[in-house]
Amino acid sequence: DAGVIQSPRHEVTEMGQEVTLRCKPISGHNSLFWYRQTMMRGLELLIYFNNNVPIDDSGMPEDRFSAKMPNASFSTLKIQPSEPRDSAVYFCASSPKLAGGTDTQYFGPGTRLTVL
Amino acid sequence: GENVEQHPSTLSVQEGDSAVIKCTYSDSASNYFPWYKQELGKRPQLIIDIRSNVGEKKDQRIAVTLNKTAKHFSLHITETQPEDSAVYFCAASTPPSNTGKLIFGQGTTLQVKP
Repeated sequence: DAGVIQSPRHEVTEMGQEVTLRCKPISGHNSLFWYRQTMMRGLELLIYFNNNVPIDDSGMPEDRFSAKMPNASFSTLKIQPSEPRDSAVYFCASSPKLAGGTDTQYFGPGTRLTVL
Repeated sequence: GENVEQHPSTLSVQEGDSAVIKCTYSDSASNYFPWYKQELGKRPQLIIDIRSNVGEKKDQRIAVTLNKTAKHFSLHITETQPEDSAVYFCAASTPPSNTGKLIFGQGTTLQVKP
């Protein structure tokens, strides 16, 4: 199994530009999570999906952030317009979510985003 | 909602000593408690987990203990080695238990001095 795949691994962009981060979860996993990690705030959950449906987006910082999961094997996190304070490492994670219980989350390698 | 507090934020030990990291959680309905290790520039990776029907779990040099009454759980690393140096995160599930959502602690930076 290839694990969770994220692209790009690094992204440098200028303030005001649109940024799209991509994630392919582990095949067969039912849940997908987007996290943001910074030194100041640690690991923050932005949004998560169960069976492609967004369940909780209360962690999305503002309307500039949006996420989609059009099918079980692909998700995107979009920032438009981007700002320097969005600079962080963005992780995607997936989980098999066994029926009736919480299960292990497997993290992708992350996308390091720098907004100049 | 669930809140997870993790202590200490940094921990420095000599190689061969033991290290203990503690976490407290607020919601008594939480029933799954994983620990993740994140090396510099890498992704968080699960090292051990425990469910609420178990009080202790061991895997070689690492162990986790859970006290449901006090709502805290701890990670124990024995015979520490330099390669144990990393940031460690605890997490707790949030009800309803079948959502898969975890709340993470702030992390503990462990330094093992050779």
